[in-house]
Amino acid sequence: DSGVTQTPKHLITATGQRVTLRCSPRSGDLSVYWYQQSLDQGLQFLIQYYNGEERAKGNILERFSAQQFPDLHSELNLSSLELGDSALYFCASSVGTSGTLGETQYFGPGTRLLVL
Amino acid sequence: GDSVTQMEGPVTLSEEAFLTINCTYTATGYPSLFWYVQYPGEGLQLLLKATKADDKGSNKGFEATYRKETTSFHLEKGSVQVSDSAVYFCALSDYGGSQGNLIFGKGTKLSVKP
Repeated sequence: DSGVTQTPKHLITATGQRVTLRCSPRSGDLSVYWYQQSLDQGLQFLIQYYNGEERAKGNILERFSAQQFPDLHSELNLSSLELGDSALYFCASSVGTSGTLGETQYFGPGTRLLVL
Repeated sequence: GDSVTQMEGPVTLSEEAFLTINCTYTATGYPSLFWYVQYPGEGLQLLLKATKADDKGSNKGFEATYRKETTSFHLEKGSVQVSDSAVYFCALSDYGGSQGNLIFGKGTKLSVKP
């Protein structure tokens, strides 16, 4: 158990809908990262937050957004869903900001999203 | 940009065989290198890491050495077990960049037969 929790585990929805994925980082971790894992794209970084502020953006679509709350949990919002958004979405957390040498990221179990 | 290339799978081995999964990288800064493992139906777990050239990471019988001259971080294990069956991901985090996110290879699926 990494200490990172994600809810829900599974999500089935229809095209055009909006969903929210939730992540609670390990106790004491200030950084939260979101990744998407799909068969064709592999594991792709979406976005990072550090202590409530956006720190870095990767291949995140404009239809997707995220935030980190004062209690440090994070939510990833996916809207106007398309079939191609079906994937496994992982949250990871780490102690500090980017640039710390070899800082380990701890991954949650993921949320499997299926868009029908 | 930064990238990671690892050998295509799947890899099928018999129990107690020697394992090598090749990984090479391209990075502009001073990357740290990682191997993560994903067991069926689970999230990623850190297997080992190395933060500078010539460092050797090791864990659970697995090891990998950070080779700057060949930009490689190959994963090895002397004697695999059925329980090692999983997908293995090589990844880097570029210390010199502005982002701390991980850049992953495509993953190598390992199946170990009894």
